[in-house]
Amino acid sequence: EPEVTQTPSHQVTQMGQEVILRCVPISNHLYFYWYRQILGQKVEFLVSFYNNEISEKSEIFDDQFSVERPDGSNFTLKIRSTKLEDSAMYFCAAGTSGYNEQFFGPGTRLTVL
Amino acid sequence: DQQVKQNSPSLSVQEGRISILNCDYTNSMFDYFLWYKKYPAEGPTFLISISSIKDKNEDGRFTVFLNKSAKHLSLHIVPSQPGDSAVYFCAEGGSQGNLIFGKGTKLSVKP
Repeated sequence: EPEVTQTPSHQVTQMGQEVILRCVPISNHLYFYWYRQILGQKVEFLVSFYNNEISEKSEIFDDQFSVERPDGSNFTLKIRSTKLEDSAMYFCAAGTSGYNEQFFGPGTRLTVL
Repeated sequence: DQQVKQNSPSLSVQEGRISILNCDYTNSMFDYFLWYKKYPAEGPTFLISISSIKDKNEDGRFTVFLNKSAKHLSLHIVPSQPGDSAVYFCAEGGSQGNLIFGKGTKLSVKP
């Protein structure tokens, strides 16, 4: 069964550095999402992406975040200048429509020191 | 404000018995709800969903019940198995297709 994959599984970075988290969604899925889960807290929506543009973003997704799908397969989340509070699990998800189940990748654990 | 609440942080059940996981929501604008299961160090795995036009959806050992008047849904797992031990998240479909998650309930199924 096709799966959403994410790399790296764990990223450690210094505060103020840029990080790029990568996702390869399921090939026939058209809707892509990023979520994050800070330790002990809820899984929170960051951004949704459809037809090569952002369709919705949450308050968390401020100017330091950006997403793109540069080559039609990878879907990336960039954090320009990381802060300590960006430490979390970041999950990529994909779906066939905007109103249906989403399939999640295994996550990237981001640790900002 | 869209909120999904899972008021029980944990639940312990004997193998073979029924597990009932509960979820309450505040915003009834949106018309589908989902349950996800999550093991440590893995992403959430979709289990089952329900549209607001239904009050029950069943898939094998998993049944989701929706009570719209009470803004409440529940997931029944029967019979429970040790492999079902995980954190279960209730989620609501948001206005732009994003999912709004509860905090989760950790289910432990004891042999």
